Amino acid sequence: EAGVVQSPRYKIIEKKQPVAFWCNPISGHNTLYWYLQNLGQGPELLIRYENEEAVDDSQLPKDRFSAERLKGVDSTLKIQPAELGDSAVYLCASSLGTYSSYNEQFFGPGTRLTVL
Amino acid sequence: GDSVTQMEGPVTLSEEAFLTINCTYTATGYPSLFWYVQYPGEGLQLLLKATKADDKGSNKGFEATYRKETTSFHLEKGSVQVSDSAVYFCALSLYNFNKFYFGSGTKLNVKP
Repeated sequence: EAGVVQSPRYKIIEKKQPVAFWCNPISGHNTLYWYLQNLGQGPELLIRYENEEAVDDSQLPKDRFSAERLKGVDSTLKIQPAELGDSAVYLCASSLGTYSSYNEQFFGPGTRLTVL
Repeated sequence: GDSVTQMEGPVTLSEEAFLTINCTYTATGYPSLFWYVQYPGEGLQLLLKATKADDKGSNKGFEATYRKETTSFHLEKGSVQVSDSAVYFCALSLYNFNKFYFGSGTKLNVKP
């Protein structure tokens, strides 16, 4: 079974430029998460989707960040314009999606963003 | 609010030493508790979990017991290997919210 796929793995951009990250979750997983992981820190949730619906985007900086999951499968996270402080690892995870705290999340390898 | 606190690293041990990484939590309701491991250049992988008080999660020689009275979920291993070198994250999840809270991670270095 393929795991969570993310691309690109690494991205270096100049500040004020746009950037986009792509995630393909495990087949059959209805719930998709985007996390931000700063160096030396744990993941922090940016947005959670149940199928196509963003059910928790309270931590997403909506002035510059946007996300979509149009067909309830893969997802794109965008930053426009990027700032120096956005340099971090962006993790995507997926889970089956039942409303249970037993749900295991499966993580992708992440995209390491460097903003110069 | 809901949160997880784990001991700061790095933790450096010799091979075959005993490992403890402390984790305590604050939560409304009855959380499930998890340990995730992150090897260099990889995503997080679930190591073990416990879904109710007094449960013991175990995997690959690692163990953790859900202690409601002390709100703790400490990770232990009797004899670490060099291959255990990684960053370990404690996390909690609240029933019916599908929302996870992660600790800041503890880096483990095991020397031969």
